[in-house]
Amino acid sequence: GAGVSQSPSNKVTEKGKDVELRCDPISGHTALYWYRQSLGQGLEFLIYFQGNSAPDKSGLPSDRFSAERTGGSVSTLTIQRTQQEDSAVYLCASSLGAAFGNEQFFGPGTRLTVL
Amino acid sequence: AQSVTQPDIHITVSEGASLELRCNYSYGATPYLFWYVQSPGQGLQLLLKYFSGDTLVQGIKGFEAEFKRSQSSFNLRKPSVHWSDAAEYFCAVGRNTPLVFGKGTRLSVIA
Repeated sequence: GAGVSQSPSNKVTEKGKDVELRCDPISGHTALYWYRQSLGQGLEFLIYFQGNSAPDKSGLPSDRFSAERTGGSVSTLTIQRTQQEDSAVYLCASSLGAAFGNEQFFGPGTRLTVL
Repeated sequence: AQSVTQPDIHITVSEGASLELRCNYSYGATPYLFWYVQSPGQGLQLLLKYFSGDTLVQGIKGFEAEFKRSQSSFNLRKPSVHWSDAAEYFCAVGRNTPLVFGKGTRLSVIA
């Protein structure tokens, strides 16, 4: 069956530009998570959605980062006025239900490079 | 605060040799514990997880892990490594909060 998909797979942008990263979760998964993976830094939690609501936004690194989810499905992570330190792989995951103990299924990620 | 430490950044083992990847955690309550594997250019795949009960858990691809509460550890083991096991391995902890991941251990397998 279809897994979590993310687009684009690679994005190169210039400093100061805005970017949008898209995540399509597995059908029927109500929870959706965004992580950032920087070289040698593991995975950094950014935000999660339960349905269309984001109960915990504490992981977003700055107010340049925002995310939304519509229709309980697709999610978009937006980074405004990108900086070089935003360069990373952005991973999306989805899971059944709201409990963090549920297995999270990860997408292949979007590699963002800010020049 | 919750944290996960994977002391080994990079490990190299010979094909057929045994493997142990270390994971230590700090968590306020009894945690849920996970091991994920990430192959080059791929997303993360769950290897195994511990919620409660038997402290030795079996996962996919012949991996197992043992939860030791007294040592706050959840080490991953495999008795005989295959070349296809070369990847990045992440330990994670969570329960009622977002998962906290370690920085990963990169496994190289040599002939």
